[in-house]
Amino acid sequence: QSVLTQPPSVSAAPGQKVTISCSGSSSNIANNYVSWYQHLPGTAPKLLIYDNNKRPSGIPDRFSGSKSGTSATLGITGLQTGDEADYYCGTWDSSLSAGVFGGGTKLTVL
Amino acid sequence: QVQLVESGGGVVQPGKSLRLSCAASGFSFSNYTMHWVRQAPGKGLEWVAVISFDGSNKYSAASVKGRFAISRDNSKNTLYLQMYSLRVEDTAVFYCARDPRSTRAHGFFDLWGRGTLVTVSS
Repeated sequence: QSVLTQPPSVSAAPGQKVTISCSGSSSNIANNYVSWYQHLPGTAPKLLIYDNNKRPSGIPDRFSGSKSGTSATLGITGLQTGDEADYYCGTWDSSLSAGVFGGGTKLTVL
Repeated sequence: QVQLVESGGGVVQPGKSLRLSCAASGFSFSNYTMHWVRQAPGKGLEWVAVISFDGSNKYSAASVKGRFAISRDNSKNTLYLQMYSLRVEDTAVFYCARDPRSTRAHGFFDLWGRGTLVTVSS
């Protein structure tokens, strides 16, 4: 059972928008920065969002991040079939003195 | 080119030990915090351990505390994970990841390796 809670799956049609939620607590999301990762099986995970809402160079602005209180959200617009992957939120938990991830959300582009 | 390459995985019996390595290239390894993250079959990502740029600060997950030890050799641009008393539930792909921040609260993983598979089985 993960410290951060994500929906197991989300789906939407090509061209549409989807959001993935990440719920935590005061010891993690509320007081630390959140990052988001895209992971395709057999490959290295890829950083999409850091510092709650910043995109690394090379990540299209179709990907966005936000945070409010103990929750964070990843948004993806203009969905493409190539966006099908598992998405994870991550942060530091100050009470555990440990890194924590959400359980992951599988995105299906119908 | 900028990359991380893990090695040392394999099949090991329960209770045995194994050491993983992560070779860094293309960047100043000694300037970066480094992590190990794992993914068990069919499961999500699980953070394992972190070490500061100079090796002076280390933290590990409760699930591996006392059994796994993270270390680094900046002269060899290499990160290590020494694993003792391995359990069947430690079976996973182990990734090393680079963190450009020195403050844990602000950390994130901006470069990952492709992973090395550890299988614990009798």
